[in-house]
Amino acid sequence: SQTIHQWPATLVQPVGSPLSLECTVEGTSNPNLYWYRQAAGRGLQLLFYSIGIDQISSEVPQNLSASRPQDRQFILSSKKLLLSDSGFYLCAWKQGAWGEAFFGQGTRLTVV
Amino acid sequence: KQEVTQIPAALSVPEGENLVLNCSFTDSAIYNLQWFRQDPGKGLTSLLLIQSSQREQTSGRLNASLDKSSGRSTLYIAASQPGDSATYLCAVRPPGAAGNKLTFGGGTRVLVKP
Repeated sequence: SQTIHQWPATLVQPVGSPLSLECTVEGTSNPNLYWYRQAAGRGLQLLFYSIGIDQISSEVPQNLSASRPQDRQFILSSKKLLLSDSGFYLCAWKQGAWGEAFFGQGTRLTVV
Repeated sequence: KQEVTQIPAALSVPEGENLVLNCSFTDSAIYNLQWFRQDPGKGLTSLLLIQSSQREQTSGRLNASLDKSSGRSTLYIAASQPGDSATYLCAVRPPGAAGNKLTFGGGTRVLVKP
């Protein structure tokens, strides 16, 4: 069966520090991968998606970047965090663009 | 631009009562619709995926209906239990190349009182 792992579960980082959140999927190949952010009291916002290795699409201009160095690994990064980067970050995968979406357990990021 | 609305934002019911959760979308050109559950501080758990050609989808105590022409989906949870307390979100997926972009509703927070 397929599983998705996301870590860390919580993170507190100072303003201006770098960020690296990792997501891996097991039990499938060539998944579509996604990073979402869920801000308090707001809906889910799609940040990045990837249909293959080194193929990244950005949905909103921001302080973050994403990379996919391996088929089942998706990384969300920032060189310098801002207070506004605080939120709940969720990784997700689908088999193809129209399949059922499955989410990781999320990372709670607090920038102080 | 697709907009997805879930009303009410919060709902409280006594245990045993049936739950009815609503999801409305403005553009009927969808490929499918997915219902999720989210527990506090956790990720989303997929409940049901209903294709645009389907009228309903069932899993255990859960039943989701879809009326694409009117832009509505309803999630029914029979005989609610305290363990059903969570936030329920719906998301629609457009057809074609934009299928990667799920549009989410704001969610309905459900409390089932023992």
